[in-house]
Amino acid sequence: DAGITQSPRHKVTETGTPVTLRCHQTENHRYMYWYRQDPGHGLRLIHYSYGVKDTDKGEVSDGYSVSRSKTEDFLLTLESATSSQTSVYFCAISEVAGETQYFGPGTRLLVL
Amino acid sequence: RKEVEQDPGPFNVPEGATVAFNCTYSNSASQSFFWYRQDCRKEPKLLMSVYSSGNEDGRFTAQLNRASQYISLLIRDSKLSDSATYLCVVERAGGTSYGKLTFGQGTILTVHP
Repeated sequence: DAGITQSPRHKVTETGTPVTLRCHQTENHRYMYWYRQDPGHGLRLIHYSYGVKDTDKGEVSDGYSVSRSKTEDFLLTLESATSSQTSVYFCAISEVAGETQYFGPGTRLLVL
Repeated sequence: RKEVEQDPGPFNVPEGATVAFNCTYSNSASQSFFWYRQDCRKEPKLLMSVYSSGNEDGRFTAQLNRASQYISLLIRDSKLSDSATYLCVVERAGGTSYGKLTFGQGTILTVHP
């Protein structure tokens, strides 16, 4: 299995609070991605990174920001959590754009 | 038209059965195709890449038809452990979409004794 960890694995928070999710990889892959998965929608791309300090928006980026200061870490921040951001969040990595992505174990976030 | 469409199922089959899933995609410029498997409350995992010439991995066979823009997955001799959701995945192509993947919503398979 690819060396990808996510933290925390579970989180319950209240509306309006900031939340940061962390993705850590030991594979030295250039590309990193944040997805959310919701019933009826499948996996949707939030943000992605193509290198240190190089990030771009995905299809559902509103309300989220990211940072990548080191190759191995990709942070996803919900500046002010809303109930619509209750979801399962997956981080993924790939060595080459458009090729196989390997996923972390996911973070289950509940916003009350 | 959705970028990637799959029959959501569920498919309920007995052990030993052969089952096939199809998936259609809308972007004719896409170059990379995959099938992923996702177990309940787990992360998606690569099952196999799909090549133009078709490819086989044990009981699993994947086919790509570029002209009709569909991908198939055939599972022979189904096992209980094959029960999962199967995700069809297509590379987006063109412009700012380069290098991103689009995931279908998945087809649920349940194999029963």
